[in-house]
Amino acid sequence: EFVLTQSPATLSLSAGERATLSCRASQSVSSSLAWYQQKPGQPPRLLIYGASNRATGIPARFSGGGSGTDFTLTISTLEPEDFAVYYCQHLSNWYTFGQGTKLEIK
Amino acid sequence: QVQLHQWGAGLLKPSETLSLTCALSGGSFGAYYWTWIRQPPGKGLEFIGEINHSGSINYNPSVKSRVTISADTSTNQFSLRLSSVTAADTAVYYCARKYGGYFFDYWGQGTLVTVSS
Repeated sequence: EFVLTQSPATLSLSAGERATLSCRASQSVSSSLAWYQQKPGQPPRLLIYGASNRATGIPARFSGGGSGTDFTLTISTLEPEDFAVYYCQHLSNWYTFGQGTKLEIK
Repeated sequence: QVQLHQWGAGLLKPSETLSLTCALSGGSFGAYYWTWIRQPPGKGLEFIGEINHSGSINYNPSVKSRVTISADTSTNQFSLRLSSVTAADTAVYYCARKYGGYFFDYWGQGTLVTVSS
């Protein structure tokens, strides 16, 4: 069964710091990986597709990297509005989503 | 600007049928797959199924026996029906557009559906 495992489950940082979130696939997905941001009471917002392409309107402080089985989402300098839950996602096994990383204010 | 607006009943009893509709505005219904995704309270996201403008449909096997997705291209709307609901179907249900073959770029606002006796 295809699984996406995100780490850490919770990341506690302060505004102005750099955040690095990880997503590991149980088998190679080439670069077909997307990242989403979700705030309470809102739908997910597409941030990154194709592992490293920013979606329309996404600030440059968000960047994605990796290929194969290991991927990262980096937020270069955290803004107050960046504290949210982040999900990675791939096509396999009916569009599997990772379990999420909660980015919280330290 | 593509927008998706969804609506439907938010409180159901066990064994009833969930029914939601999603309307597209500001874009074309064709050339994309239109999907339903759900999220149980405090949990992750689960793909339910999808439909395109020509009526091609795919369902997640986890709900395939209970789900029906349909579309009305004349009104740019698509719908979800999930029969025989139980408490395990309690979730926020989202409609979304699939793009690039695998990711979801536009989402509806979400509808909380609670199943309770």
